[in-house]
Amino acid sequence: GQQVKQSSPSLTVQEGGILILNCDYENDMFDYFAWYKKYPDNSPTLLISVRSNVDKREDGRFTVFLNKSGKHFSLHITASQPEDTAVYLCAAGVGGSAKLIFGEGTKLTVSS
Amino acid sequence: GGIITQTPKFLIGQEGQKLTLKCQQNFNHDTMYWYRQDSGKGLRLIYYSITENDLQKGDLSEGYDASREKKSSFSLTVTSAQKNEMAVFLCASSPGLGLYAEQFFGPGTRLTVL
Repeated sequence: GQQVKQSSPSLTVQEGGILILNCDYENDMFDYFAWYKKYPDNSPTLLISVRSNVDKREDGRFTVFLNKSGKHFSLHITASQPEDTAVYLCAAGVGGSAKLIFGEGTKLTVSS
Repeated sequence: GGIITQTPKFLIGQEGQKLTLKCQQNFNHDTMYWYRQDSGKGLRLIYYSITENDLQKGDLSEGYDASREKKSSFSLTVTSAQKNEMAVFLCASSPGLGLYAEQFFGPGTRLTVL
């Protein structure tokens, strides 16, 4: 089965809005959680990551929230902009193993 | 800074053919990865390697071989191309031996099997 799952294949939001992307995982040994961003015809790049010793990490307009008991983490984007339009891939893994498991991706469209 | 190069950029093969994809990085990273990207399925890990001559299977290793000939290069072989197969293969590298560091991705090889 899918170890890391993104339930929304796509999401549309108006410019300036707040949006939340969700990711669920199965393995409670996972201790590293990341969000990668991918523009069309480009490769993924790391947006933000967090280790399991914290439940929140903020970087500008982007915040990751981690709920370990619920095996869930989310990406919150505030003041969304058209350039946020991209595919967002969540990923998780066990830090010592080098193996990162990606979700299926959520295609985000920010309309102006 | 550094760069990851993947060759070829586009690969067209015939059913049953053995096809090899190559990846080079000049970051001097320890760990390298091969992922397959299909529409609606995210990235699926095929093989990874934490050092020269090391190979670890990912979730999608069946039908593939890999080789880490030296620290800077990691190649992937499709052992028998499947008819009508279309996918993008992404190579990535990461410093260190664990997950806590960022993975840097190459531009991809787009495979089409006729």
